[in-house]
Amino acid sequence: EIVLTQSPGTLSLSPGERATLSCRASQSVSSSYLAWYQQKPGQAPRLLIYGASSRATGIPDRFSGSGSGTDFTLTISRLEPEDFAVYYCQQYGSSPGPGTFGGGTKVEIK
Amino acid sequence: EVQLVQSGAEVKKPGESLKISCKGSGYSFTSYWIGWVRQMPGKGLEWMGIIYPGDSDTRYSPSFQGQVTISADKSISTAYLQWSSLKASDTAMYYCARGGQWPFPGWFDPWGQGTLVTVSS
Repeated sequence: EIVLTQSPGTLSLSPGERATLSCRASQSVSSSYLAWYQQKPGQAPRLLIYGASSRATGIPDRFSGSGSGTDFTLTISRLEPEDFAVYYCQQYGSSPGPGTFGGGTKVEIK
Repeated sequence: EVQLVQSGAEVKKPGESLKISCKGSGYSFTSYWIGWVRQMPGKGLEWMGIIYPGDSDTRYSPSFQGQVTISADKSISTAYLQWSSLKASDTAMYYCARGGQWPFPGWFDPWGQGTLVTVSS
C-alpha cells in the first residue's frame, strides 16, 4: 500500500501570500494518479486537482498542482480568505485497489 | 446535477449492527465506482473501500477488510456501508463519494454530505 506523507502539518500565512504544500509517496504513483482535496470545518471534502495537475470544474486558477513519481505539490498563488482550510492529497491507482490519503496540511491565518 | 445523498446521523450502542446508505442521482449509477471514507473526530481522511455497482465488485483497504461490508443495490441507485458489531472506535463521520468509470477507480467527486455515526454505551 502506498503511504502519502504531507508537509508541513500546518502552514501559517497571510491573505495574498503564496502557499506551497507537499505530498510525498512511499513509491511511485503510476501515471500521476494523484488528487488534491480541500476541506473546511463542518463540510465534506471538495476535489481541487486530479491527475496531479488538472483543475476540477469550477476551481479558481490560483490553485495549481504539479509533480510526478513520488513528489507532488499543490500551490495556491495568492491566498484568499476562503482558502484557509485543510488540504489532503490522495493516490487512486490505475486499477481497482486501495487508495490512500495523506495526513493533511492545515493552512491557517497568520 | 450529480449528487450523492447520505442517510442521517446514527447513535448506537457497542455490539449493535448498522447499515448506512448513499443514494446517487444525476448520472448512470452502475457506471462509476462509489467509495467510502472515514474521518474520525479531529482526524484526517481514511480510504475504506470502493464498489462498482454494475457488478458489485468490491475492494477494501487492508485496514478495513473484515471490519465493514460495502454493498450496493443498483435498482435503487444506493450504496451501503454496514457493521455487524459496532465498537466505540467506529465513532466517526463517514462519507461516500463517486469515483471513476470501470476499471479506473479514479478520484472522488462529488462527495456526499456525510453520515455521523456515534457509538456509545
